[in-house]
Amino acid sequence: AQSVTQPDIHITVSEGASLELRCNYSYGATPYLFWYVQSPGQGLQLLLKYFSGDTLVQGIKGFEAEFKRSQSSFNLRKPSVHWSDAAEYFCAVGEGYGGSQGNLIFGKGTKLSVKP
Amino acid sequence: KAGVTQTPRYLIKTRGQQVTLSCSPISGHRSVSWYQQTPGQGLQFLFEYFSETQRNKGNFPGRFSGRQFSNSRSEMNVSTLELGDSALYLCASSFTVAGQDNEQFFGPGTRLTVL
Repeated sequence: AQSVTQPDIHITVSEGASLELRCNYSYGATPYLFWYVQSPGQGLQLLLKYFSGDTLVQGIKGFEAEFKRSQSSFNLRKPSVHWSDAAEYFCAVGEGYGGSQGNLIFGKGTKLSVKP
Repeated sequence: KAGVTQTPRYLIKTRGQQVTLSCSPISGHRSVSWYQQTPGQGLQFLFEYFSETQRNKGNFPGRFSGRQFSNSRSEMNVSTLELGDSALYLCASSFTVAGQDNEQFFGPGTRLTVL
């Protein structure tokens, strides 16, 4: 069965430091991969997506992610974290049956805290 | 363009009651998906509708149902509520180009509390 693993439940970084959030997936075919961010009490906002092509994808708010098929990973990175980045981050894989992305499988999330 | 809207934002019910949640997708989006988010189970897919037809369904009991109207608005219903149904219910919509869906845009969610 398809699955997504985010090994880090909680990460704390200092403001201005670099960030890498890990995501590993299990999926038979070429996956559709996403990173979403959720602030407390809010819905999910898409940071970036990978469907095909260049394995390094750029997203909003200065985030990027790299798809590595050999490692089944799609790690999220940011060179310099801002206090406003404190939130929960979710990695997701789309099953894409018949062109549908309507069934996303999410990881458990990584909560990011930012120290001043 | 207005985002995905969900009503109500907060709801308190008691065990055994039923509840209906509403979702209005972004204009032009025909696919609507529902997810349940709880601290223990995380985000879990409930079902997806496209052009008034259920296209995918997650592993939830039959107490959870949904439908989509001709204007793409969607409702989900939970009957005979249980304490474990307390959760944030998220709706997401996406548009389709050449038969391929694109990324999902999420609403703010409906926080359901079952007492």
